[in-house]
Amino acid sequence: DGGITQSPKYLFRKEGQNVTLSCEQNLNHDAMYWYRQDPGQGLRLIYYSQIVNDFQKGDIAEGYSVSREKKESFPLTVTSAQKNPTAFYLCASSVSINNEQFFGPGTRLTVL
Amino acid sequence: GIQVEQSPPDLILQEGANSTLRCNFSDSVNNLQWFHQNPWGQLINLFYIPSGTKQNGRLSATTVATERYSLLYISSSQTTDSGVYFCAVKTNAGKSTFGDGTTLTVKP
Repeated sequence: DGGITQSPKYLFRKEGQNVTLSCEQNLNHDAMYWYRQDPGQGLRLIYYSQIVNDFQKGDIAEGYSVSREKKESFPLTVTSAQKNPTAFYLCASSVSINNEQFFGPGTRLTVL
Repeated sequence: GIQVEQSPPDLILQEGANSTLRCNFSDSVNNLQWFHQNPWGQLINLFYIPSGTKQNGRLSATTVATERYSLLYISSSQTTDSGVYFCAVKTNAGKSTFGDGTTLTVKP
């Protein structure tokens, strides 16, 4: 099946630990995105990538890092520098940067 | 950056009623999407509509780019329409901005 997968669905970590969230797509899309959603709010852009080996900061990049070594994969690392990491994280992709975005199912991260 | 405002923030309807959700944005955009977020958090694409009018079953959407707004119409609402509806825009820079959403509750 074609689509976007995120793993794991739920993730628990202790404060001070880095954690990496996975996002994979088999849609042959060039652009990929990471968003954060807090309860009762809209999505906020963390990082986005227009093409392999290239990425740009979004509106709330502090405390996060990404890589784009393969077209299919765009992992997000939540570092210990992120002050409030507990949130719902959503990954998306699109054919190119200005085309329609499609979303994965999300990962709920809880930092204890 | 661009501001996106959705109204109303909350809407409660009786099954079978019609509704209109609005999305206002503060600058020119070259991309606008409407999404429905289900209770499990999945974002479902409803419309990709940078301008003009589209219809899909009981749902339709209109974007008037020159006046910087978009409308989502839901007719003959069903309980399964409940959830949060988001509008998202993109400018030439490629960054996406989401509104805070409209929470729709459809009662049987």
